[in-house]
Amino acid sequence: DAGVIQSPRHEVTEMGQEVTLRCKPISGHNSLFWYRQTMMRGLELLIYFNNNVPIDDSGMPEDRFSAKMPNASFSTLKIQPSEPRDSAVYFCASSLQAGTTDTQYFGPGTRLTVL
Amino acid sequence: GQSLEQPSEVTAVEGAIVQINCTYQTSGFYGLSWYQQHDGGAPTFLSYNALDGLEETGRFSSFLSRSDSYGYLLLQELQMKDSASYFCAVVVNTGFQKLVFGTGTRLLVSP
Repeated sequence: DAGVIQSPRHEVTEMGQEVTLRCKPISGHNSLFWYRQTMMRGLELLIYFNNNVPIDDSGMPEDRFSAKMPNASFSTLKIQPSEPRDSAVYFCASSLQAGTTDTQYFGPGTRLTVL
Repeated sequence: GQSLEQPSEVTAVEGAIVQINCTYQTSGFYGLSWYQQHDGGAPTFLSYNALDGLEETGRFSSFLSRSDSYGYLLLQELQMKDSASYFCAVVVNTGFQKLVFGTGTRLLVSP
């Protein structure tokens, strides 16, 4: 299996621009998670989908952030407009079953820099 | 809310044994997971404890005491490749289950 696939791996953009991060979970996995990692705040859960339905978006920082999962094999995290404080590594993870007692498999991450 | 505490950094030499502790305060506790992350890499799953006691997987073991809100990761026969950050994460159930990660412990293994 190819594992969780994320694109782009690196993104550099200017403040105010729209940023779209993409994720393809492992085939057959029912749950998908978006995390953000920074030195200051560590690894934070942003949003979690189960069977393509958003279950918990309490970690989404503000209205500038939105996430979608139109089908079982694709999800996006969009930031509009982006700000320098959004600079971080964004990870997508998937797991086989609903509930996070199951192992989560992380993608390689997207390193976002907002200038 | 949830809070987790783990040491920020631990150093050890090859072949040694190291223990990384994690204490937590949370509601809806379901279990404790450990993840490893090498610099520039993604977190990878190491272990999960739902019940009290020790779980062993090769050179790595993980322990949980629910009554003490405490767990640890034990790494034996340390190798240079074990140099990485190690995160404890509580699985909490507040209507649905999610992982809340600690701030991580950076392990430096020297020759």
